[in-house]
Amino acid sequence: QLQLQESGPGLVKPSETLSLTCTVSGGSISSSSYYWGWIRQPPGKGLEWIGSIYYSGSTYYNPSLKSRVTISVDTSKNQFSLKLSSVTAADTAVYYCARIMTTETDVDYWGQGTLVTVSS
Amino acid sequence: DIQMTQSPSSLSASVGDRVTITCRASQSISSYLNWYQQKPGKAPKLLIYAASSLQSGVPSRFSGSGSGTDFTLTISSLQPEDFATYYCQQSYSTPIFTFGPGTKVDIK
Repeated sequence: QLQLQESGPGLVKPSETLSLTCTVSGGSISSSSYYWGWIRQPPGKGLEWIGSIYYSGSTYYNPSLKSRVTISVDTSKNQFSLKLSSVTAADTAVYYCARIMTTETDVDYWGQGTLVTVSS
Repeated sequence: DIQMTQSPSSLSASVGDRVTITCRASQSISSYLNWYQQKPGKAPKLLIYAASSLQSGVPSRFSGSGSGTDFTLTISSLQPEDFATYYCQQSYSTPIFTFGPGTKVDIK
């Protein structure tokens, strides 16, 4: 059974960089059938796609966040990572990592999510 | 950018009711539309992909329809475990995609 697990600091100071890693187990990240992505949800609000990466390293970002986002992949560790720079309180959210089918771009597996709070 | 809207934003229903949620895209997205269910404190769960295909393991009381700009998610007979928030997601602009704002279904 595929599992995704987010890890990283739960508290980040304003203007600093948020860094999270997603570890994939029970399956290979090096599959041509999937993208691997990050989706966030501010408390009490809806879902926002942040960006996705293909195992080859090709990246795709939400235009509204593109200037601040970097997603990378480490196939040797079966992990992918998110960096979001210059964070503000508006970046406080539950961050999910996810597996995304390349066919219908549906998100078929999600991590449990990790709350990241931006506060001094 | 493709914008997604959902209606209603919330609804109250009773166990056994037939429930319909509507999702509308700002431009035609063919059948590139997926539906998710999210319960409090949990990650979303894929219900329907490609507008009308039922994800493996999802009860058959859930169904999806539509194409172009207008889509519906129907729960034929609402069960206690179906009280949740439902999101649509367009995948026409793949690999870029956007979610609708959500529809909360609670107990009447």
